[in-house]
Amino acid sequence: KQEVTQIPAALSVPEGENLVLNCSFTDSAIYNLQWFRQDPGKGLTSLLLIQSSQREQTSGRLNASLDKSSGRSTLYIAASQPGDSATYLCAVTGGGAGSYQLTFGKGTKLSVIP
Amino acid sequence: EAQVTQNPRYLITVTGKKLTVTCSQNMNHEYMSWYRQDPGLGLRQIYYSMNVEVTDKGDVPEGYKVSRKEKRNFPLILESPSPNQTSLYFCASSLLVGSSYNEQFFGPGTRLTVL
Repeated sequence: KQEVTQIPAALSVPEGENLVLNCSFTDSAIYNLQWFRQDPGKGLTSLLLIQSSQREQTSGRLNASLDKSSGRSTLYIAASQPGDSATYLCAVTGGGAGSYQLTFGKGTKLSVIP
Repeated sequence: EAQVTQNPRYLITVTGKKLTVTCSQNMNHEYMSWYRQDPGLGLRQIYYSMNVEVTDKGDVPEGYKVSRKEKRNFPLILESPSPNQTSLYFCASSLLVGSSYNEQFFGPGTRLTVL
């Protein structure tokens, strides 16, 4: 069964700092990996999707990398802002018994201090 | 506006009273899915559907039913709700491209309380 782990569970940084969020998964037979953002009491917003054949994706100040063989992904946030404060979730499709089953990590709660 | 809608947004019910949470998307997406989110357990997939009349179990399907009779709708049915199904539920959809899918779009969530 696919398992997804996110480290750290919580992170507090001063505004302007660059930061890295980590995601690891146990079964490398994935179709893709997706990073989401969730604000308190709200739904999820997709940030970046990396297909299994890709190594990284970029959107604005965000860059996500994927190393399928080692079962790892990182989300890099440049020049953090207070508006980046949210919970960031990593999710993988595939691996384990379910080919299109989506498995989420428990998230990293980010606080950016002004 | 492209979106996933869920109804109701909030529901308080009693044990054993059948209920349905509706999910609809207007993006012509093939893939639709239901998740529940619980403190300490994160988001877990309940059921997913690759297309009309094609559904499959996720991690926690027990106590839930789904159907996909139309492409745009994917209702979640709780035949006999129990207190352990109190949770925040999300519906999501995405395009299927070849053997993979594009980014998932999530609905706003349904907060269900079963007394």
